[in-house]
Amino acid sequence: GENVEQHPSTLSVQEGDSAVIKCTYSDSASNYFPWYKQELGKRPQLIIDIRSNVGEKKDQRIAVTLNKTAKHFSLHITETQPEDSAVYFCAASRVFGAGNMLTFGGGTRLMVKP
Amino acid sequence: DAMVIQNPRYQVTQFGKPVTLSCSQTLNHNVMYWYQQKSSQAPKLLFHYYDKDFNNEADTPDNFQSRRPNTSFCFLDIRSPGLGDAAMYLCATSRDTSSQYFGPGTRLTVL
Repeated sequence: GENVEQHPSTLSVQEGDSAVIKCTYSDSASNYFPWYKQELGKRPQLIIDIRSNVGEKKDQRIAVTLNKTAKHFSLHITETQPEDSAVYFCAASRVFGAGNMLTFGGGTRLMVKP
Repeated sequence: DAMVIQNPRYQVTQFGKPVTLSCSQTLNHNVMYWYQQKSSQAPKLLFHYYDKDFNNEADTPDNFQSRRPNTSFCFLDIRSPGLGDAAMYLCATSRDTSSQYFGPGTRLTVL
């Protein structure tokens, strides 16, 4: 089955700096890679996702890059703000007719210091 | 507006006493998923329904069962909860292979 490794497990940055979280996956058949943000006691919220036919996707301060050859994908947050503090999960999935079977990375706790 | 609703938000049960958690959705999504999330860990998929077709993950214990009586509702039944089943249970939905949207979760405590 799929295995997703996520690094770092904790990340502390100063407000305004950039944050980068990296994930690797094992199943070369995986073709869908979402990122979720989870605040303490709340639901995971989808912040951005990318499919394997795209190398990069951007949404305001958030961008995701995908290297299929190396089986790496990364989340980039620019101009971080205190409200970006949360746990971020990457996930990988092989998309087929019956939905997305997500395998999550272990999570990164991001702390943005004012 | 709530799109994926879970009830109750907090559930306390006794060791071995059956419990049912509920999920409903207003998105008309055909796929519904149940995840277990233990403290400081990632969500782990337990099973999912694609329309009425039930799909169990290989390592989901038999103690966990699910029902989907219609498109909007899905239930998670824990037949004999153990202390190790204390966790947040998250329901998610998707339209086929589109993005998954999570409900707020039910936090289960087992005494």
